[in-house]
Amino acid sequence: GAVVSQHPSRVICKSGTSVKIECRSLDFQATTMFWYRQFPKKSLMLMATSNEGSKATYEQGVEKDKFLINHASLTLSTLTVTSAHPEDSSFYICSAGGGPEETQYFGPGTRLLVL
Amino acid sequence: AQSVTQLDSQVPVFEEAPVELRCNYSSSVSVYLFWYVQYPNQGLQLLLKYLSGSTLVKGINGFEAEFNKSQTSFHLRKPSVHISDTAEYFCAVIPLGFSGGYNKLIFGAGTRLAVHP
Repeated sequence: GAVVSQHPSRVICKSGTSVKIECRSLDFQATTMFWYRQFPKKSLMLMATSNEGSKATYEQGVEKDKFLINHASLTLSTLTVTSAHPEDSSFYICSAGGGPEETQYFGPGTRLLVL
Repeated sequence: AQSVTQLDSQVPVFEEAPVELRCNYSSSVSVYLFWYVQYPNQGLQLLLKYLSGSTLVKGINGFEAEFNKSQTSFHLRKPSVHISDTAEYFCAVIPLGFSGGYNKLIFGAGTRLAVHP
């Protein structure tokens, strides 16, 4: 149980375009989802926390207008990278969970390359 | 503030040898503790977690970890490693007792375990 999927797994886009990444909890309902960014050979950096039906909470230094997060249902959260630039190239990982045991289950990640 | 320190950035080991990956944390409140594993180009998989109770926690793939409150440590161990254990390992904590509806995972920097034949 506790499977989280992400789509797409890899995406290449041109500079200036927008890219949407989906995060789905497949076998459980997640009131809270988290979006992370991971640089090569580095740990995960929390970007924002997404709560179903309300606005996302962004970490300090993360541009909310650039990284749009929508958590429209208990099983789906989306991250849209708007007007992407090469420096946005990274590995983006979502997680879902929380609850009494606070366990987060992670998606497989999305590799974004902006040319 | 809370922090997690993984003392070794890389740990090379031969196949079938034992291994210990070290993790220390700093927190002014109680914490839940986690170990995650990340294989190349993949997300994170939960290995084990400590919430309460017995301080020795057994996880998947033959791994175990021991919570030591006095030393604020949560070291990960495996008695005999396989080539397939080669991966990045992350220690993480969730500090308890904060309001706001959710508690953030705080990650260590990661330890690269390289198992050689």
